[in-house]
Parts: sequence; structure tokens; C-alpha cells
Amino acid sequence: EIQLQESGPGLVKPSQSLSLTCSVTGYTITSGYDWSWIRKFPGNKMEWMGYISYSGSTNYNPSLKSRISITRDTSKNQFFLQLNSVTTEDTATYYCASSRGTFDYWGQGVMVTVSS
Amino acid sequence: DTVLTQSPALAVSPGERVSISCRASEGVNSYMHWYQQKPGQQPKLLIYKASNLASGVPARFSGSGSGTDFTLTIDPVEADDTATYFCQQSWNDPRTFGGGTKLELK
Repeated sequence: EIQLQESGPGLVKPSQSLSLTCSVTGYTITSGYDWSWIRKFPGNKMEWMGYISYSGSTNYNPSLKSRISITRDTSKNQFFLQLNSVTTEDTATYYCASSRGTFDYWGQGVMVTVSS
Repeated sequence: DTVLTQSPALAVSPGERVSISCRASEGVNSYMHWYQQKPGQQPKLLIYKASNLASGVPARFSGSGSGTDFTLTIDPVEADDTATYFCQQSWNDPRTFGGGTKLELK
């Protein structure tokens, strides 16, 4: 079974970069699926942020395009999120997920607070 | 972006039938999917492409609709169904989610 686990700092200062790691077990990220980042804001709104495909191509939500980067380390079967110039509006629970249109497998999520 | 509109909350009694609606601001063909999220847990896929039951999901859950109007039905509702239900479309880029419907049991 595919399992995903997010990791990273729970507190980031405004104007800094948010960096998260998603470790995948039970499946090789180069075998298939798109590998997405999704966030859920306080109050329930959910936003798909972007993905890196099994082939390494990326697709980002235009609302974040100037600030986001998704990369991967195939040797560790991990993929990464970097979000630059964060503000308090980026406070959310961040999830990684495998996707083929639907988001089939999700990590447990990591709560990130942007605060000085 | 395609905006998905859901009613914020519903309250039903166990054993009843409940329908949760999702309306899209533009057509999404049949590419509407439904998720269940319980407090402290990650979302779980229930229905894909409007009416297809995901693996392991009880047959009490069903989905219908096409174009702009979609419905998730639970019949009968059980106590364990207390959760927030989200719709999500994958026809238009970027993929978007509804605001969620919180289902409470009386």
C-alpha cells in the first residue's frame, strides 16, 4: 500500500521560505502518478498547490506560480515543496498526495504556522 | 478557476438518507470527486468521476450528476459518518475543491 508522510518545520517567519518533505513508501515515485501538494486553511478551504509527475515535469497552481517549487530526490523516493516569501496567509495544514485526477493516497498532514 | 459551492452544514438522524450537493461555476463533465475528512485525519476518497465508488467504500455511499450539478448521497447514515465532505473537480485547470459540508448527526 502506498503511504506518504510529510515532515518539516511547524513554524516559519514571514518573508522566509517554507520547505516540506514528503516521503513515499510502498511505491516508487518514478513509476506513475502525479505527486501533489495540497493545503487546507483554517476554516476548511482547500487548495491544490501543484505536482511533480512521475517523469519529473511540474504543474503549479497559477495563484502560486511565482513562489512555488516542487522537486524530488528519486534515490530517497521523496518529493519536496518550497514556498517562498510566506505571509500569515500561508498558515495551513499541508498535505502531500498521489494523484491521477483524484487524490488517491494522502499523508497525515503537517500544520505550518507563519508567525514572527 | 472553477468555483465549487457546497452548503456549509447538515444535520441528520442515524438511519436517514442525506444528500450533499456541489455546484460548479462551469462544466466539469463527469470529473467530480468526493472525499470524507474526519477531525484529525487526512481526506479519504469516496467517489470518483461522479458516480464510481472508490475501493473499500461502503455501498451506502453513492454519487450522481454531470456538468455543473453533483450530489453525494449516504443511505442510510450511520454515526461513523460524522465528518466534513468535500467535492473536487479535475476537468479544468487548476484542480479545485468545494468549501466542504460538515455532516452532524442528531
